[in-house]
Amino acid sequence: QKEVEQNSGPLSVPEGAIASLNCTYSDRGSQSFFWYRQYSGKSPELIMSIYSNGDKEDGRFTAQLNKASQYVSLLIRDSQPSDSATYLCAVVNNDMRFGAGTRLTVKP
Amino acid sequence: ETGVTQSPTHLIKTRGQQVTLRCSSQSGHNTVSWYQQALGQGPQFIFQYYREEENGRGNFPPRFSGLQFPNYSSELNVNALELDDSALYLCASRDVAFYGYTFGSGTRLTVV
Repeated sequence: QKEVEQNSGPLSVPEGAIASLNCTYSDRGSQSFFWYRQYSGKSPELIMSIYSNGDKEDGRFTAQLNKASQYVSLLIRDSQPSDSATYLCAVVNNDMRFGAGTRLTVKP
Repeated sequence: ETGVTQSPTHLIKTRGQQVTLRCSSQSGHNTVSWYQQALGQGPQFIFQYYREEENGRGNFPPRFSGLQFPNYSSELNVNALELDDSALYLCASRDVAFYGYTFGSGTRLTVV
C-alpha cells in the first residue's frame, strides 16, 4: 500500500465548475496535510494546509480532512483555465510524503 | 519569489560519475528535505535534515547522501550515477513555526 494515494486522473472540468480532488493516506500518526499545485516544469507551490478534522476555506479553495477515514480532499470552486496543473497531496509525520498527483485540466 | 534557491538549474552527467546538488534555504529554516521527481510522478522523499542531523530517510540507496550546514544551506550527493537517476531534484525547507515546506526551483539532472 502506498503511503499517500491520489487518483492520477487526468481530471477535466469545464470553466466555472467545481473540481474535486481526493487523497488517502496510510500513516495514522500523520499530523499535517497540504495541497501543492505544480505547473509543468515548475516546482510545487503550497496552496492549502489543514491540521484538524473538518473544512478549511481559502478563497475558491476548500480543504477537507477526515482523520478517522484517513482522507483529505480539495475542492476548487469556479474553476479557471489557470487552475490547470497537477495537484499534489502531501502528508507530514516528521517528514513530508507526497502522492503521485492528479492532473487537472479546466477547459474554457 | 521563493526564498529557497537551488544550483545548478540543469546538469548533464555520465553514468558512473558523482554529482553534488546545492540548496540555500531561508534564514531560520532549520529543516530541509530533498526529493526526486521523475517525469509524470510525484516527488519521492530522499531524506530530511534537522539542525545538521539526518532525521528521516526514504527508500533510496546509500549512494544518495547529504549534508546540512549551519548557514541553512545543504547538499545532496549522488555517487555512481545510474540512468534512472535522471530526474528533477527538489529541496524544500521549513522553520519550526510552520509545518508547510517551501520548495526551491529544482535541479534537472540528466544522466547519459
